[in-house]
Amino acid sequence: EADIYQTPRYLVIGTGKKITLECSQTMGHDKMYWYQQDPGMELHLIHYSYGVNSTEKGDLSSESTVSRIRTEHFPLTLESARPSHTSQYLCASSDHGTQETQYFGPGTRLLVL
Amino acid sequence: AQSVTQLDSHVSVSEGTPVLLRCNYSSSYSPSLFWYVQHPNKGLQLLLKYTSAATLVKGINGFEAEFKKSETSFHLTKPSAHMSDAAEYFCVVSDGNKLVFGAGTILRVKS
Repeated sequence: EADIYQTPRYLVIGTGKKITLECSQTMGHDKMYWYQQDPGMELHLIHYSYGVNSTEKGDLSSESTVSRIRTEHFPLTLESARPSHTSQYLCASSDHGTQETQYFGPGTRLLVL
Repeated sequence: AQSVTQLDSHVSVSEGTPVLLRCNYSSSYSPSLFWYVQHPNKGLQLLLKYTSAATLVKGINGFEAEFKKSETSFHLTKPSAHMSDAAEYFCVVSDGNKLVFGAGTILRVKS
């Protein structure tokens, strides 16, 4: 079944640790996205990719980095987590072309102590 | 630049009564508009999508939305609310490559 997966679903970690949030999709989509959503707030785009070896920064500045070595995989990394990184991170993908529907993963809730 | 304004941060209705979630958009060209729903601890799910075809768009779970260019609105409606509709709803506009989200409307359904 085609889907989009995120792991871990929940992560509690101490300040200064390096973390990687995983996102994988089995739909063969070219485009992938990372959004950040604080509680009760709208989603903000922090990274996106149009395909392998393509990564762009989104509208909201983020200290995280991403990579796109394989079409189906779009991990997000924080080299040194801080409490200000506490948030929910949502991954999405869409097919090529404009106006395509984005499909979202279940999200990762990150708490940095 | 595209933007969306969801006019109500919270809406409360009784089960079996109509639902209206309001959304106004701003776009420099003919937009694509979406409504997504987010249940607690779940990912975002697409309810419906408008892409310059019929102005009245039918979605899943009995929801529909009407695109009104003259009012720059894309309000979400449902004739009869169900308890399972309680969730947060996001109105979204696309600029062709990226989605711009509204602040969300939390729908509460009372029994």
